[in-house]
Amino acid sequence: GAGVSQSPSNKVTEKGKDVELRCDPISGHTALYWYRQSLGQGLEFLIYFQGNSAPDKSGLPSDRFSAERTGGSVSTLTIQRTQQEDSAVYLCASRQATDRGQTQYFGPGTRLLVL
Amino acid sequence: DQQVKQNSPSLSVQEGRISILNCDYTNSMFDYFLWYKKYPAEGPTFLISISSIKDKNEDGRFTVFLNKSAKHLSLHIVPSQPGDSAVYFCASFNKFYFGSGTKLNVKP
Repeated sequence: GAGVSQSPSNKVTEKGKDVELRCDPISGHTALYWYRQSLGQGLEFLIYFQGNSAPDKSGLPSDRFSAERTGGSVSTLTIQRTQQEDSAVYLCASRQATDRGQTQYFGPGTRLLVL
Repeated sequence: DQQVKQNSPSLSVQEGRISILNCDYTNSMFDYFLWYKKYPAEGPTFLISISSIKDKNEDGRFTVFLNKSAKHLSLHIVPSQPGDSAVYFCASFNKFYFGSGTKLNVKP
């Protein structure tokens, strides 16, 4: 079956521009996560959506970052006025439920380069 | 402050030998941990997990050990194979805090 997909796979943008990153989770998965991985760093939690609950935004690094999840499915991560330090791989993951036995499935990531 | 730490950025092991990857955490409330494996240009994939009610979980060549008093866990791969070469992340279930990863290289 189809896994988690992300688009675009690569994005090069100029400093100060806005970018939108898209995540299509596995159908039926109620939980969706965004992470970023900067060069040489681990995965940094950004935001978590679970069903119709208010998202956990505690990992967003600044108010330039926002995310939404429409209809409990597709999610977009928006970065406004991009900075060079935003350059990273942005990973999306989904899970079927909050049960511990349910693992996350990751997408391939979007590689963002801010010039 | 990192809640989950992997202090070894890289590890090199000969094929057939044991690989031991280590992970430390700071919050004693964390009670469920996962290991992920990541190949270049791919997203991480789940490998093995452990709950704090256990101190060991085994799946084929992969075994994870949990020492709650030391707030330490380790992943053992035996025997190591060249296809195991990847970056390994440990994570807590709680908000999915991830370590910075250990790059394992298994030499043929």
